Amino acid sequence: EADIYQTPRYLVIGTGKKITLECSQTMGHDKMYWYQQDPGMELHLIHYSYGVNSTEKGDLSSESTVSRIRTEHFPLTLESARPSHTSQYLCASSERKHTSTDTQYFGPGTRLTVL
Amino acid sequence: KNQVEQSPQSLIILEGKNCTLQCNYTVSPFSNLRWYKQDTGRGPVSLTIMTFSENTKSNGRYTATLDADTKQSSLHITASQLSDSASYICVVSDRGSTLGRLYFGRGTQLTVWP
Repeated sequence: EADIYQTPRYLVIGTGKKITLECSQTMGHDKMYWYQQDPGMELHLIHYSYGVNSTEKGDLSSESTVSRIRTEHFPLTLESARPSHTSQYLCASSERKHTSTDTQYFGPGTRLTVL
Repeated sequence: KNQVEQSPQSLIILEGKNCTLQCNYTVSPFSNLRWYKQDTGRGPVSLTIMTFSENTKSNGRYTATLDADTKQSSLHITASQLSDSASYICVVSDRGSTLGRLYFGRGTQLTVWP
């Protein structure tokens, strides 16, 4: 079981609210990621970070933003939630900085529903 | 376009039976291929990883194979258990960048019945 945590696990909110999804890992990993996954569909990378003060946009365009002020913490923020943001959000981390073979460890996910 | 296709989309088997899941990919340049298991409502967990030079890798009752020439992989599950019910995701990584971009399949939803 990987030491990567996400809160909340489930969130139901109204349109227009600002929300922050929390992700933290205690493995000291440099690389962290946010994925979006709809039922029966593949994971899509929306944000990633190589380390502190590093954030990059992923393959899938997203209205969310991220920050990486501490190694262990990689929160995702939606300034104004809309029903189209309803999805499962998965956070992941991996150890090595410059290799494609490092394994990504995933958190349990946050299921977001925007009414 | 880099893609990962999995089949079947869903599969139902009886407890104790074997099954094989398929993955075809077009990702290039190829770095490695992983199989992940994702339980309902949870994040994916890595089962195996294979690089270009490896053609088989086992993890308990899970055995993955890789044919880099035909760009195909399979995941064989032996003596299935109820706890094997999950989505099995094929993930291919390229070596075109230091990030090692991952390309995800949509998964095969396996249901094991008693």
